[in-house]
Amino acid sequence: DAKTTQPNSMESNEEEPVHLPCNHSTISGTDYIHWYRQLPSQGPEYVIHGLTSNVNNRMASLAIAEDRKSSTLILHRATLRDAAVYYCILRPTGANNLFFGTGTRLTVIP
Amino acid sequence: DVKVTQSSRYLVKRTGEKVFLECVQDMDHENMFWYRQDPGLGLRLIYFSYDVKMKEKGDIPEGYSVSREKKERFSLILESASTNQTSMYLCASSLLRGTSGGTDTQYFGPGTRLTVL
Repeated sequence: DAKTTQPNSMESNEEEPVHLPCNHSTISGTDYIHWYRQLPSQGPEYVIHGLTSNVNNRMASLAIAEDRKSSTLILHRATLRDAAVYYCILRPTGANNLFFGTGTRLTVIP
Repeated sequence: DVKVTQSSRYLVKRTGEKVFLECVQDMDHENMFWYRQDPGLGLRLIYFSYDVKMKEKGDIPEGYSVSREKKERFSLILESASTNQTSMYLCASSLLRGTSGGTDTQYFGPGTRLTVL
């Protein structure tokens, strides 16, 4: 499985932007980059995904480096409800499952 | 919205018991998955199914079996529970088969925290 590297934990102040980094130097050309998050006592939930271009949705933005060896999940204004573990996952075309690492635990400070 | 439900949030069983964990999804998804989550290890795939009566082993299938008799229901079975199967179990479903590309989104249930004494 293609591997990703994320910091174990990050902190952010409420209502400030948060940039969550992910390194995936062994990414192949057909791997999609997915982000999921897991709120306390809940199952993971989908956040966003992309292949080469930057992506935006109502939850977040995904910035993908030109060489695709890293990406950044951007939460534009962190709220207390964004406190969660964020997982960066590479999804090969044709893969049925997701390989979850240990993710980044985001703490939002009021 | 897609809804994935799991039969129990918390379950306590004794060593050697047969345990059934049930998962139901309401969006006619093709794929269903069972993961377990342990501290420091992240989520690990136990089994998945891409069609009724079809199953494939994931990364850690030992000690588990699965059943998918209906499209909406995927059961995880612990034939003889052991203490090392104490864990959080998460069910997920997704619409497309894997060959459809890397864009498929998985939807997770709330999890079942199983304790085996």
